[in-house]
Amino acid sequence: DAGVTQSPTHLIKTRGQQVTLRCSPKSGHDTVSWYQQALGQGPQFIFQYYEEEERQRGNFPDRFSGHQFPNYSSELNVNALLLGDSALYLCASSLRANYGYTFGSGTRLTVV
Amino acid sequence: GQQVMQIPQYQHVQEGEDFTTYCNSSTTLSNIQWYKQRPGGHPVFLIQLVKSGEVKKQKRLTFQFGEAKKNSSLHITATQTTDVGTYFCAGRKGGSEKLVFGKGTKLTVNP
Repeated sequence: DAGVTQSPTHLIKTRGQQVTLRCSPKSGHDTVSWYQQALGQGPQFIFQYYEEEERQRGNFPDRFSGHQFPNYSSELNVNALLLGDSALYLCASSLRANYGYTFGSGTRLTVV
Repeated sequence: GQQVMQIPQYQHVQEGEDFTTYCNSSTTLSNIQWYKQRPGGHPVFLIQLVKSGEVKKQKRLTFQFGEAKKNSSLHITATQTTDVGTYFCAGRKGGSEKLVFGKGTKLTVNP
């Protein structure tokens, strides 16, 4: 039973560029949440998707957008990258929102 | 906005000693979850607490949810080197889909 799969694992981008991160949730899960984790910090909630809709959003600018597909997989897009966007981006899936999350291994994004 | 605070930020113990991390929320929570993140890894779900005053045990780990549903604790008895990692609490307000994480407590264990 595959867990949460994220791609790519590492990424280096230049300021001002755009990036798309991908996530396949654990089999049987229908809800995907995205988190940003800076070094030494706790994960910060970006947004959550359920039934292909953004259900809730954290305190992130509109440069951060996402999508959920009919097969429950999800993408996180970040436009106009800033140096401060460098972080580990974690995707977490769950069955509905009120159960424990299964996290992927994350995408390490470095903006130079 | 909703905040979840954890103390201590760091804890270093000798193997065999006990360890406790505390979590406090600025608002009443509908539930609280605990996660463990090993160095270089990703958060792994440990447990969810839902009821006021709830206590749950997993082997050497004991989790508590406060009566007011605003605080929680994780206690590890007789730590082992395999317990090394950062322990996060994460809380959710009623009616909200957002799971808010604390900054975590980093545990190191000296063999």
